[in-house]
Formats: sequence, C-alpha cells, structure tokens
Amino acid sequence: QLQLQESGPGLVKPSETLSLTCTVSGDSISSSSSYWAWVRQPPGKGLEWIGSVYHSGGTYYNPSLKSQVTVSVDTSKNQFSLRLTSVTAADTAVYYCARLGRGGYNFVAYWGQGTLVTVSS
Amino acid sequence: DIQMTQSPSTLSASVGDRVTITCRASQSIDSWLAWSQQKPGKAPKLLIYKASTLESGVPSRFSGSGSGTEFTLTISSLQPDDFATYYCQQYKSYPLTFGGGTKVEIK
Repeated sequence: QLQLQESGPGLVKPSETLSLTCTVSGDSISSSSSYWAWVRQPPGKGLEWIGSVYHSGGTYYNPSLKSQVTVSVDTSKNQFSLRLTSVTAADTAVYYCARLGRGGYNFVAYWGQGTLVTVSS
Repeated sequence: DIQMTQSPSTLSASVGDRVTITCRASQSIDSWLAWSQQKPGKAPKLLIYKASTLESGVPSRFSGSGSGTEFTLTISSLQPDDFATYYCQQYKSYPLTFGGGTKVEIK
C-alpha cells in the first residue's frame, strides 16, 4: 500500500528556508510513470500546487512561487524534497506531498498526511 | 493560468438528499478534471478523475459529469460520511489549479 510521509521542521523563521522531505513506501519513484508533487493549504483556505518532479529530475513549478522553489528527487532513498527560500508568514500552511496520476496524467492521485509549517520569529 | 470556480462555496443538506456541486474552468480543459474530498484535519482523497471516472473503492453514489468548461459532482443520496469539503482540480495544463472548495454541511 502506498504511503507518503512528510518530514521537516514545523517552525521556520521569516526570511529563512523551508525544507521538507517526502519518503515514499509501497511504490518506487525510479520505476514509476508518475510525477511527484508538493501542494500546500494555508489554515482555513484552499489548495495550491507548488511543484512536481519526475524520477529523471525533470520539474514543473507554479510561476507564482518559481523564484523561491526547488523540488528535487533522490531515487536511491525513494524520497523527494521541497525547498522554499525567503519565507514569510504567508507561507504558513499544511504542506502535502503527493503522487500524481500514472502515465503523465497530473491529477493528484494520492496524498500524504500533511505537515504544518509555521513561519514565525 | 486556468482559473477554477466552484459553486456554491457552502451547501447545507440532509442525509438522503441528492447534492450537486459545480466547477467551472476559465477555458476549456476537455475532460481533464478531478474531484477530491477533504475531511477536517485530514488530507484530501481522490474521488473522480477524467471528469467521470470513479476512483477504485469510491462509493457509486458519487458521480461526475461535464466537459469543456462546466463540470458537476453529484452525490445521489448523501450519507453521514459525506459531510466534507470537495475540491475540483484541472490538469489540462500547468500550473495545476484547484477550485476554492465546496463545504457540504449538515442541515
């Protein structure tokens, strides 16, 4: 059974870098035909796609965040990661890692449980 | 970017009611639309993709329809477990975008 588990600091100071890792079990990133993604949800608000990565390292980013975001993959550890620089209070959100549909169909097929990241001094 | 607009934002209904939620895209997305359900404090769960294909394990009371710019999610007979927030998502093109959500509340 597929499991996605986010890990990383729950508190980040303004202007610093938010770093999260998603560990995948029950599927192999290196042999999957799916993209792997990060989606966030500010408290009480809707969903925002951040970016996606393929096992080859190819990426797509939300233009609204592109200057801040890096999504990378480590197939040897079956993990992918998010790096968001120069954070502000507006980046406070639950961050979900997710697997998109197989074969390049980019609907969010499966979600991790999510991790709350608060940006505060 | 393709904007996704859901209506209504909140819906009050009773167990057994037929419920319909609408999602409109700012331009044609063919049938590249998914619906997900989110309960408080939980991650969303995929219900439907390609506008009308039911994800494995999802009850048949859920159905999706539409193409182009207008889509609907229908729950044929609302059950207690269905009170939640529902989101549509387009995957016709990047950036992937979601609707603002529809909260289904107990009447």
